[in-house]
Amino acid sequence: SAVISQKPSRDICQRGTSLTIQCQVDSQVTMMFWYRQQPGQSLTLIATANQGSEATYESGFVIDKFPISRPNLTFSTLTVSNMSPEDSSIYLCSVGTGTKETQYFGPGTRLLVL
Amino acid sequence: GNSVTQMEGPVTLSEEAFLTINCTYTATGYPSLFWYVQYPGEGLQLLLKATKADDKGSNKGFEATYRKETTSFHLEKGSVQVSDSAVYFCALNGGATNKLIFGTGTLLAVQP
Repeated sequence: SAVISQKPSRDICQRGTSLTIQCQVDSQVTMMFWYRQQPGQSLTLIATANQGSEATYESGFVIDKFPISRPNLTFSTLTVSNMSPEDSSIYLCSVGTGTKETQYFGPGTRLLVL
Repeated sequence: GNSVTQMEGPVTLSEEAFLTINCTYTATGYPSLFWYVQYPGEGLQLLLKATKADDKGSNKGFEATYRKETTSFHLEKGSVQVSDSAVYFCALNGGATNKLIFGTGTLLAVQP
């Protein structure tokens, strides 16, 4: 399975600011995804990060709030913009290995917005 | 659309007890089914998976069988340990968009 790292592992931010989260994979992957896990909740898909084109966002998530970059097949960033306390969550990236196949997750970024 | 319904927690067991966490799904076609585990303060780890009907996934003493007739993928372990305390997520991947659909998660607490 792929080895996935995320930076930062955790952060405390002030409302109104933005934070960019990085996801690095040790091998080239076609599919990369970003999820949000609100406190005590399950995971919700934010978007699919597409290499060389705009990300595909799920209902309820917009590019202005969560801009995503995918410059190559091993790296992606998610920015949480104009943060509010409601954005306090764990943000996880994952990579897919093929259609209907396993997704492997990074360790997550724990964000607290004050 | 696709969905996963998972047993509500928390589930509290004594060490060496038998564990069952129920999971049922709704999907068109033939999804792949997964159990992920999240230990305190960590990310998600794949526990086991099954990709077609009657497949049994197994790992670390945990098992789950893909039952298409009952649209279920229940997680079982014969004898739990304190180290199994974690949140367990059932998930499916229907394939069309490769989106993982998660259940709500079940917190398991194993007491010595």
